[in-house]
Amino acid sequence: DSGVTQTPKHLITATGQRVTLRCSPRSGDLSVYWYQQSLDQGLQFLIHYYNGEERAKGNILERFSAQQFPDLHSELNLSSLELGDSALYFCASSVGRGRNYGYTFGSGTRLTVV
Amino acid sequence: SQKIEQNSEALNIQEGKTATLTCNYTNYSPAYLQWYRQDPGRGPVFLLLIRENEKEKRKERLKVTFDTTLKQSLFHITASQPADSATYLCAPKVGGSQGNLIFGKGTKLSVKP
Repeated sequence: DSGVTQTPKHLITATGQRVTLRCSPRSGDLSVYWYQQSLDQGLQFLIHYYNGEERAKGNILERFSAQQFPDLHSELNLSSLELGDSALYFCASSVGRGRNYGYTFGSGTRLTVV
Repeated sequence: SQKIEQNSEALNIQEGKTATLTCNYTNYSPAYLQWYRQDPGRGPVFLLLIRENEKEKRKERLKVTFDTTLKQSLFHITASQPADSATYLCAPKVGGSQGNLIFGKGTKLSVKP
């Protein structure tokens, strides 16, 4: 157990639907990062939150949004889902911005859009 | 645009040998670079971090080098074991001290007994 909890582990949904992925960071970590991993693209950075504030955006589609709550857990919302959104979605946490520590990853949510 | 290349998609070696994985990056100068291990269906696990002012970092059987002139990092596993079989990801940090990790596609290492 890495200390980063992601739910659900698996999600199967239909095209056009909306889903919410949840992440609880490791205790004491203020930064949360979301990554998408598909077979042909590798790990793609989506978005970074630090202590409730958005810090950086990567290759995140407009159909996707995220937020980090006061208790530091984070949610990634995916809407108008397409077949191509099927992937593993990872959340990672770290101590904080500007600190050179490794990221701790959760076990991921496997999203299948049918 | 920023680009990360890991030398090969797959590397097969014999148990006991040294595995060497290469990570090349272009169009930016990361303050540091990290290496991760990922097993199938699992999240990446942090292994080592090396800063731009460090030439080499070691941890048990692992060694990482960082050549900012060549824009290259080498990752070595000595006395490799079948349990070392996994995908290894290179992740330079972009965007300064408040930046984020950008991951390469990884090299899948297979260590045969």
